[in-house]
Amino acid sequence: DAKTTQPTSMDCAEGRAANLPCNHSTISGNEYVYWYRQIHSQGPQYIIHGLKNNETNEMASLIITEDRKSSTLILPHATLRDTAVYYCIVRVNAGGTSYGKLTFGQGTILTVHP
Amino acid sequence: KAGVTQTPRYLIKTRGQQVTLSCSPISGHRSVSWYQQTPGQGLQFLFEYFSETQRNKGNFPGRFSGRQFSNSRSEMNVSTLELGDSALYLCASSLMQISNSPLHFGNGTRLTVT
Repeated sequence: DAKTTQPTSMDCAEGRAANLPCNHSTISGNEYVYWYRQIHSQGPQYIIHGLKNNETNEMASLIITEDRKSSTLILPHATLRDTAVYYCIVRVNAGGTSYGKLTFGQGTILTVHP
Repeated sequence: KAGVTQTPRYLIKTRGQQVTLSCSPISGHRSVSWYQQTPGQGLQFLFEYFSETQRNKGNFPGRFSGRQFSNSRSEMNVSTLELGDSALYLCASSLMQISNSPLHFGNGTRLTVT
């Protein structure tokens, strides 16, 4: 699986947009970018995923660069409850056997402050 | 729709004992994966089951085993517990065995080995 690089930590003011970057320069054309977050003592929560196009759901937006070597997760109006560790993961597309295997890095600790 | 349910939530065992953890996937989900999370190693893939068959296995000793039942519920077993097995054990389920189908995690079982 392609390796991802994320900043160790970020801060964001409540109500402002949180933009979390992720580099995945070795991503292959058939690999998806997934984002999860984990709040202390809970399991990782699925946020969003994408292949090439930008994606948006009720939680966040995912912006993937045209060359697919990096992406940004955007939380449009961060709240204190968005404080968590955010993981960017590159997942292999169909054709492999490891559909259930996600490789988690260290993630970004996002702290939202009042 | 109920999420992934893991039982028990907390467990304390003594070194040398064995333990069985249970996971009920989201209704309709047929793929179940297990992960171990420790402060030192982070989130690591244990194994993956689909249609009662183990599809993939991570780099863990044979003391770690699992199974999946016809109703997609899954159990994992750890025999001859060691202190280093103390961890948060997470189960995740997905609807289909394709990389475009997100994994959804439960809140885990916190195992403490004394």
